Amino acid sequence: EPEVTQTPSHQVTQMGQEVILRCVPISNHLYFYWYRQILGQKVEFLVSFYNNEISEKSEIFDDQFSVERPDGSNFTLKIRSTKLEDSAMYFCASSVKGPQHFGDGTRLSIL
Amino acid sequence: AQSVSQHNHHVILSEAASLELGCNYSYGGTVNLFWYVQYPGQHLQLLLKYFSGDPLVKGIKGFEAEFIKSKFSFNLRKPSVQWSDTAEYFCAVIPLGSGNTGKLIFGQGTTLQVKP
Repeated sequence: EPEVTQTPSHQVTQMGQEVILRCVPISNHLYFYWYRQILGQKVEFLVSFYNNEISEKSEIFDDQFSVERPDGSNFTLKIRSTKLEDSAMYFCASSVKGPQHFGDGTRLSIL
Repeated sequence: AQSVSQHNHHVILSEAASLELGCNYSYGGTVNLFWYVQYPGQHLQLLLKYFSGDPLVKGIKGFEAEFIKSKFSFNLRKPSVQWSDTAEYFCAVIPLGSGNTGKLIFGQGTTLQVKP
């Protein structure tokens, strides 16, 4: 069964540094999402992406965040200048329509 | 604001016990409903979903859920749990209608621990 793949599985970064989290959605999917889960808290929606543009973003997704689908297969989340509170598990998801398929997540640790 | 609430944060059961995990959502319009499971060290996996039709839906591994529209609820059930059901369970909702982009709104999750 096709899967959503995310790399790296764990990223450790100094506060203030830029980080790029990568995702390869399932190939025929059209809708793409990023979620995050801070340890001990619920999974939170960050952003949705369709037709090469952001369709919705949450209040968490401020100017420090950006998404891109540079080559038709990868879907990236960039945090420009990381903060301690960005430490979380970041999940990518994709769908045709309906149920979203999730990647394994990237654990981001900000020091 | 749209939200999902799961009643139990941590449930401990013995094998063969019956399971019911509560989930309520706040949204007045039409919704798609989901239960996801996250086994230790693994990604979120879809257990079951409800879009329309029969409000009692069956998923994988013997799980089922019932949508009660009047109660805004979508409780997850399993008649007899196994040790391998130990995992985190998330209820999630997609509010439908104009302006909604398919984002999932998650509950806070319920940790199920099944003792052998």
